[in-house]
Amino acid sequence: EVQLVESGGGLVQSGGSLRLSCAASGFTFSDHYMDWVRQAPGKGLEWIGRIRKKANRYTTEYAASAKGRFTISRDDSKDSLYLQMNSLKTADTALYYCARNSETSSGHRLDYWGQGTLVTVSS
Amino acid sequence: DIQLTQSPSFLSASVGDRVTITCRASQGISSYLAWYQQKPGKAPKLLIYAASTLQSGVPSRFSGSGSGTEFTLTISSLQPEDSATYYCQQVNSYPLTFGPGTKVDIK
Repeated sequence: EVQLVESGGGLVQSGGSLRLSCAASGFTFSDHYMDWVRQAPGKGLEWIGRIRKKANRYTTEYAASAKGRFTISRDDSKDSLYLQMNSLKTADTALYYCARNSETSSGHRLDYWGQGTLVTVSS
Repeated sequence: DIQLTQSPSFLSASVGDRVTITCRASQGISSYLAWYQQKPGKAPKLLIYAASTLQSGVPSRFSGSGSGTEFTLTISSLQPEDSATYYCQQVNSYPLTFGPGTKVDIK
């Protein structure tokens, strides 16, 4: 069974940092791109970024809101995904999901999601 | 960046009704579109990818169509458990983007 479990969320002051983790199990983690998506309270989904797999040199893509402040990394030996968040703003308050990307000739999609970890940034 | 709009933003329908949600992209995205369902307090769930491919395990009453800039998600016979918010997502180019969501309520 595919499982994604996020951790590391909590309360942090504006300007602070936080590192989120996502532990994967039930599939070959190293074979998949992985994404982070967030959802502010009562709002819609916002894609944050992606990290590709080793064959694609672990390259990353980010949304404008994350670029320069957030860094996505992974450790395939630990089946884990990370999101390092610096210079946090109150607007970063959200539930953060990790999601597995699958790709076929039909394209990409986020086919499994964790339950999320809540980040609250106070002023 | 590619912007996605969804219509309607809210709909209320009866059990057994046929429901259609539209997603429009600000530029052509071929068939690189996915649909997700999110129930309150739960993570999103993939329903459709590549605009019209049903994800494994998803009931066949869900279907998707479209290409280019206009896409639809159809629920052929609405069920009580379909009460949720539905999001489209374009996976054509970075940054990936989601639509604002359509909340579906059961009358």
